[in-house]
Amino acid sequence: DQQVKQNSPSLSVQEGRISILNCDYTNSMFDYFLWYKKYPAEGPTFLISISSIKDKNEDGRFTVFLNKSAKHLSLHIVPSQPGDSAVYFCAASAGGSQGNLIFGKGTKLSVKP
Amino acid sequence: DAGVTQSPTHLIKTRGQHVTLRCSPISGHKSVSWYQQVLGQGPQFIFQYYEKEERGRGNFPDRFSARQFPNYSSELNVNALLLGDSALYLCASSLQPAHSTDTQYFGPGTRLTVL
Repeated sequence: DQQVKQNSPSLSVQEGRISILNCDYTNSMFDYFLWYKKYPAEGPTFLISISSIKDKNEDGRFTVFLNKSAKHLSLHIVPSQPGDSAVYFCAASAGGSQGNLIFGKGTKLSVKP
Repeated sequence: DAGVTQSPTHLIKTRGQHVTLRCSPISGHKSVSWYQQVLGQGPQFIFQYYEKEERGRGNFPDRFSARQFPNYSSELNVNALLLGDSALYLCASSLQPAHSTDTQYFGPGTRLTVL
């Protein structure tokens, strides 16, 4: 059973518009959430994170929103740029865990000029 | 500062063989984790090591083993390779283990192909 789900395998957005990537989780013990971006032939690059005590975290063009009651988080990219085209992974971890991250399957974002 | 480095970048093996993958963490990071990423999936946790001790293990068979050295670098060993072991093997480092708010930083990965 997947504890972290990214139900959209792909997303296409026009340059300059907002990209919204979604992630759902089932484990209520998760208390830290991260987004990673991955280009082909490279490892995942850390993008932004949020602790479960917050509902929003912002870093430049990237904002992550957390809705604990719905067990849902989203990543907003505004404005989207062609260089943002990559696979985005949502990941989660549980406090006191063995330090491992649980990843979703990823969403491939394409930003068209 | 150098990020997480992994070697080799690519590797081709045949079924039944053994493989060793290597990882050097970011300077100052004492924890190393290993993940397996098969095509179309997200990375899946294999091991975490901190101060040379195993701190966590994912759902992988005993053919997978790892160790961490005094300089915090790490090796992942896989014995009796199967076709299904073909994947991108990722190493991630962090300052501390088992602290859920500690970000893990990934290396470029080793692409293993088993024929």
